[in-house]
Amino acid sequence: GAVVSQHPSWVICKSGTSVKIECRSLDFQATTMFWYRQFPKQSLMLMATSNEGSKATYEQGVEKDKFLINHASLTLSTLTVTSAHPEDSSFYICSAKGQGANSPLHFGNGTRLTVT
Amino acid sequence: DAKTTQPTSMDCAEGRAANLPCNHSTISGNEYVYWYRQIHSQGPQYIIHGLKNNETNEMASLIITEDRKSSTLILPHATLRDTAVYYCIVKRMDSSYKLIFGSGTRLLVRP
Repeated sequence: GAVVSQHPSWVICKSGTSVKIECRSLDFQATTMFWYRQFPKQSLMLMATSNEGSKATYEQGVEKDKFLINHASLTLSTLTVTSAHPEDSSFYICSAKGQGANSPLHFGNGTRLTVT
Repeated sequence: DAKTTQPTSMDCAEGRAANLPCNHSTISGNEYVYWYRQIHSQGPQYIIHGLKNNETNEMASLIITEDRKSSTLILPHATLRDTAVYYCIVKRMDSSYKLIFGSGTRLLVRP
């Protein structure tokens, strides 16, 4: 089945620094990937849609200059949290659509970001 | 995409069938019903999806009512590893593909 790999699985960084999270589709090509954020005891919130070779589309209320998304190849999308602050501490999850019109979204195992 | 309503939580005994309901009374003809689950501290896992016919795979069965206004996900023999939050999502099979998650049902499988 389709596998989406996310790295790192957890990261701790100091306030003011930037953190990059990678999302890879391992055995399929993904022209579109999605980035979600999840706070404790809450549901997943869609942040942005990552399109290969073009600019990402951000959901309302998500700062595009703070959450930089790059989708430079058909198997890799990156999310960079710039100038991270403690309130950015969250569980970040990416997903990619499998190939085929009826293929569902497949999700990575998430990245737990803690900003101190 | 149509809104869904799910119970906040449910529980069932290990080895028994877990039946998770979902109401989607405003579903339109070209919208599919998707089920995902999220085990604690992991990414969501795709379970099954369907349009109007009942569907079965190695993980679960999806029963959709004839009027398509509700559906039930059935885990035939629940195990402790099935404890998770289960999300029912209704959306069109279109080019956007993005999924919007609701609150889901927290299923606890008891030993």
